[in-house]
Amino acid sequence: DTAVSQTPKYLVTQMGNDKSIKCEQNLGHDTMYWYKQDSKKFLKIMFSYNNKELIINETVPNRFSPKSPDKAHLNLHINSLELGDSAVYFCASSQDLPASGGSGTGELFFGEGSRLTVL
Amino acid sequence: AQKITQTQPGMFVQEKEAVTLDCTYDTSDPSYGLFWYKQPSSGEMIFLIYQGSYDQQNATEGRYSLNFQKARKSANLVISASQLGDSAMYFCAMEDSNYQLIWGAGTKLIIKP
Repeated sequence: DTAVSQTPKYLVTQMGNDKSIKCEQNLGHDTMYWYKQDSKKFLKIMFSYNNKELIINETVPNRFSPKSPDKAHLNLHINSLELGDSAVYFCASSQDLPASGGSGTGELFFGEGSRLTVL
Repeated sequence: AQKITQTQPGMFVQEKEAVTLDCTYDTSDPSYGLFWYKQPSSGEMIFLIYQGSYDQQNATEGRYSLNFQKARKSANLVISASQLGDSAMYFCAMEDSNYQLIWGAGTKLIIKP
């Protein structure tokens, strides 16, 4: 069983459309994340939820809206897609909050990534 | 400002040799964590190793070890006895006390047979 699964793996769509990427983890973790990997391979955190509560909300356009129906799911909805949204989006989960104080186990489990191409 | 620097955009290493991937970081937080991740061509991110800023000993996980030099603010990844399957992008990342994960630009490692 895949620990962190995200769907779809590939998504090709037209500018202006609205799309969602779903993420589910079966690890019983409390914290989930969305990252965007840009063309230069940097991974930028977008959002993080702990027990369905938003704890990190980086400066991303408000066209991006995360939704966490329960702590095992964190979906990413994107409205009015733009060319610059093309990227690979990674979902991740961890047992604890990010290791503030360096005290966590350190392990983030990632999904396989969803490659979004906006035409 | 928090920053992770990986100065090696690409490396070629002969199979079975050891390889060191460099990572330096900059933070004023006394507490932080350091990670290494592997991203093969298939795209998934694979956790390799973690070092907490207060950990006294260098972290090791199988063939991976983290050479943590706190005073120099470096956290180099050492892969012993490299294998062809080690060819991938490698990312160093730092987690700070504000729940932020800061990533390096990555190093592309190619293992030659």
